[in-house]
Amino acid sequence: KAGVTQTPRYLIKTRGQQVTLSCSPISGHRSVSWYQQTPGQGLQFLFEYFSETQRNKGNFPGRFSGRQFSNSRSEMNVSTLELGDSALYLCASSLGGHYNEQFFGPGTRLTVL
Amino acid sequence: GDSVTQMEGPVTLSEEAFLTINCTYTATGYPSLFWYVQYPGEGLQLLLKATKADDKGSNKGFEATYRKETTSFHLEKGSVQVSDSAVYFCALRSQGAQKLVFGQGTRLTINP
Repeated sequence: KAGVTQTPRYLIKTRGQQVTLSCSPISGHRSVSWYQQTPGQGLQFLFEYFSETQRNKGNFPGRFSGRQFSNSRSEMNVSTLELGDSALYLCASSLGGHYNEQFFGPGTRLTVL
Repeated sequence: GDSVTQMEGPVTLSEEAFLTINCTYTATGYPSLFWYVQYPGEGLQLLLKATKADDKGSNKGFEATYRKETTSFHLEKGSVQVSDSAVYFCALRSQGAQKLVFGQGTRLTINP
């Protein structure tokens, strides 16, 4: 079974631009969660989607948004990029139940110049 | 809100040494507790988990016991190997939620 895939793996953008990151979950998984990892703030929850609906949202500004498609693939978008948005963005997929394990992808490394 | 506090790193040990990484948490109700490991350039891998008080999670020689009375979930391994060098994250997930709350991570280096 293929794991969680994220594209692109690396991205370089400049301040003010916007970016879209993609996550393909494990086949059959309906829940996709996104996390931001930075050296200063550690791992922080961005949002979770289940069956195309946002179920939970972290404490990030409105510049961070996401969506999920009917095939469970998810995208997250960051508009008006700031230097502080440089981070590793991880997505995780699961079946969606409380006791279901979350499987993480390798992440997308975003650098904002 | 929910939070996880991990032992500050980095931690450097010699091969075959005993490992303990401390983790304590603050949460309402009965969260599930996890240890994840991150190798360089990779995402997170679940190492072990415990879903209720007094549960012991174990995998690859690592163990952790869910202690509700001390709100702790310390990671232990009796004899570490060079291949255990990685960053370790303690995390919790509240009942009914998918969101994981992580500790700050502990970088472990094992010298041969």
